[in-house]
This record gives sequence, C-alpha cells and structure tokens, in this order.
Amino acid sequence: KQEVTQIPAALSVPEGENLVLNCSFTDSAIYNLQWFRQDPGKGLTSLLLIQSSQREQTSGRLNASLDKSSGRSTLYIAASQPGDSATYLCAVPSGGGADGLTFGKGTHLIIQP
Amino acid sequence: SAVISQKPSRDICQRGTSLTIQCQVDSQVTMMFWYRQQPGQSLTLIATANQGSEATYESGFVIDKFPISRPNLTFSTLTVSNMSPEDSSIYLCSVEDPALGYGYTFGSGTRLTVV
Repeated sequence: KQEVTQIPAALSVPEGENLVLNCSFTDSAIYNLQWFRQDPGKGLTSLLLIQSSQREQTSGRLNASLDKSSGRSTLYIAASQPGDSATYLCAVPSGGGADGLTFGKGTHLIIQP
Repeated sequence: SAVISQKPSRDICQRGTSLTIQCQVDSQVTMMFWYRQQPGQSLTLIATANQGSEATYESGFVIDKFPISRPNLTFSTLTVSNMSPEDSSIYLCSVEDPALGYGYTFGSGTRLTVV
C-alpha cells in the first residue's frame, strides 16, 4: 500500500526566503506525482505535475523535482511571499490505472511579512 | 483543464439528517472520485464512481453511509447519511484530467459541520 510522507509538517519563514518542501513515497512504481496547494477550508489547486519520465517541472517561482528510484520529491519555492501561505500537499497515484490519489499530510507554510 | 462545480460550498446540518453533495464536470469523464478531509488531516479516498456501475468503496467506507450516484459522464452525487458530528469534514470530488497530463483536478469542496 502506497504511503506518502511530507516533511516538515509546518514551516514559518520571513518573506523573501527560498524554501524546500519534502515528500517521500514508499512505492516507486508511480507514473506521476502532483503537488497541490490548499487554502484554509478550501479545495485543492494543482501546482505542478511531474511525469515519471521527467526529473523536474517549473512554474514561475515553483520548481518540483522527482527521484523515483529513491522515492522522493521536493518542491522549491523561490523568493517566498505572504500570498504563498497555505498548506502544500504531495500526492501520488494509489495504484494501477486511475485509482485516485494517496496524499501526504501536507506542509503548513506561513510566510511572515 | 477540466472545471468542476461542486455544491453546496458549505452547510451546517443537524445530526441524524442527510446531505447530498453534487459535482458537475464541464467535460465527459469515465471516473469521478470522492474524498473526505477531516479537520487537521489530509485527504482520504471514499469511493470511485464509474458511470453505469456501482461505486467502488475504500476500506472503512460503506454504501449505506455514503451512497453515490453517477447518472451520466459529467455528474455525480455523494450523500452523507444519518450524520453525526464525526462526519464534520470537507468533502471533495475529483477527476483525472487529460488536459493536465492525466493529473487530477478537484472541486472547490463542501465544508460540512454537523451539530
């Protein structure tokens, strides 16, 4: 059974810092990995999707990497802003085919103005 | 990417009653997924809804408590039955999205409080 772990559980940093969020998964037989953002009490916004054949994806100030063999992914946020404050969730497919996603518990990020 | 309209966005319900949550997708999809997010927790898959067949439930979730309908390829409902305060959660629907490279897109969620 796939398990996803995210470290740290919470992070508070001053505005402008670069930061790294970590995600690990137990079953490396995944075909993609997805990072989401969730604002309090809201739904999920997809940030980045990395296919298993890719090593990284970039969108603006966000960069996500994937190392399937070691079961790890990182989300790098450059020049953090208060608007980046949210919970960041990492998710991988639960099994073969379209079986939904297994999520980590998330990293609760606060960017101090 | 696919757009999912989910409603209601929030509700406060009395214990013992039922609430039906609706999700409408702007494109045809084979499967729709329903998740629960309990306070302070991550998302847990409740069931997968395939048009024309009964939903497939994950361990710990049963049809009598969470009946699901999937009448066509763009719509699904999840009912939370005989509610108790422990059912207070955010409920979300999701689809696999070819426009996202077969990543998943989520509805905006239904925040349910049972009193």
